[in-house]
Amino acid sequence: SQQGEEDPQALSIQEGENATMNCSYKTSINNLQWYRQNSGRGLVHLILIRSNEREKHSGRLRVTLDTSKKSSSLLITASRAADTASYFCTSNSGYSTLTFGKGTMLLVSP
Amino acid sequence: EAGVTQFPSHSVIEKGQTVTLRCDPISGHDNLYWYRRVMGKEIKFLLHFVKESKQDESGMPNNRFLAERTGGTYSTLKVQPAELEDSGVYFCASSQVRVAEQYFGPGTRLTVT
Repeated sequence: SQQGEEDPQALSIQEGENATMNCSYKTSINNLQWYRQNSGRGLVHLILIRSNEREKHSGRLRVTLDTSKKSSSLLITASRAADTASYFCTSNSGYSTLTFGKGTMLLVSP
Repeated sequence: EAGVTQFPSHSVIEKGQTVTLRCDPISGHDNLYWYRRVMGKEIKFLLHFVKESKQDESGMPNNRFLAERTGGTYSTLKVQPAELEDSGVYFCASSQVRVAEQYFGPGTRLTVT
């Protein structure tokens, strides 16, 4: 299993603050992806980082990958109320299907 | 370009009834996946189609679940008879290249009472 395990399970912050969530996985991977699910909506792909990359940026998102520790982190800077959602990481080794953890539930208060 | 669509968005049925969920992948995507999230638990893989063929159905919970993808376009997932534990959100995803970035639909929320 390539299951990603997110940490913390829940995070509550104020608008404008940064939010950091972490993910660990078990075996070697080709890439790792982060998804977001807003309440009542589908999963939205946020960012993909390949195993040979260490850091990637997309707008207010910054993802790091440490393959030696089999972990990744997602940083959301200057958070907004609209960032309130569940965040999931998932990894694959090329031929396996995506496996998700329980996610980190982020609550951003105005 | 239209994304992955799912129908219905929400279904409420009684235990023992039958429900059919539909997924329309992004045009041209040969790979289609079904996932399920039961309340408070992880999103779990159910099965994977490549065109009309079932590539991997190791995640299907039991024989009450039947997935089809006739013609390799849209897919249906039938639950018959539905049980209380089948309640959850059923996601469909598609990708052009296997295990590449998967595009998810909005999900169908199934409530079995």
